[in-house]
Amino acid sequence: EIVLTQSPATLSLSPGERATLSCRASQSVVSYLGWYQQKPGQAPRLLIYDASKRATGIPARFSGSGSGTDFTLTISSLEPEDFALYYCQQRRNWPITFGQGTRLEIK
Amino acid sequence: EVQMLESGGDLMQPGGSLRLSCAASGFSIDNCDMTWVRQAPGKGLEWVSSLRDSGGDTFYADSVNGRFTVYRDFSQNMLFLQMNSLRAEDTAVYYCARGLPGTFYFDSWGQGTLVTVSS
Repeated sequence: EIVLTQSPATLSLSPGERATLSCRASQSVVSYLGWYQQKPGQAPRLLIYDASKRATGIPARFSGSGSGTDFTLTISSLEPEDFALYYCQQRRNWPITFGQGTRLEIK
Repeated sequence: EVQMLESGGDLMQPGGSLRLSCAASGFSIDNCDMTWVRQAPGKGLEWVSSLRDSGGDTFYADSVNGRFTVYRDFSQNMLFLQMNSLRAEDTAVYYCARGLPGTFYFDSWGQGTLVTVSS
């Protein structure tokens, strides 16, 4: 099983700042990595797939990078609605696995 | 508009059985990979099971393999999860999710249905 480790667990920033979230895989997932946003009481929303492709309707301030075992989700300038939980997910191998999440909170 | 609506969640005793349903609209499930993901209270996301569109191959997490069965009904455009031998650790909100075409990234999700397993 591929283990995804996200860091930091919590990130405290202010609106307008840049956010950098990390996801590290226990073995290579090539570029088969996605990112999701989840707000309280809501289902997750796909932001990024294949490491760097934005899903439909996702604002350009969200970007993804990385390959192999190290990946980054960057939010260039935080909007108030961006404060949420973020998960990475790999589809390289079965079982599909998610990271444990990063909470992005308002400072 | 693509929508998925889960139902069937309930309070169950350990060892019981339950069937979850996911009614899809705005798209045809026979053209999509479909998946169940769960989230225990206050916890992260856990993949449970997937059903591939072509060929109907099924995949299960080790934690549910042999107890849960995923299947679909094309005529009703619905996805199901039959859950047997329920355990306390199965307590979670269960989401059905649609795969982005040709992938197992999940581009549409239902609102979830809560399964609680407790004596």
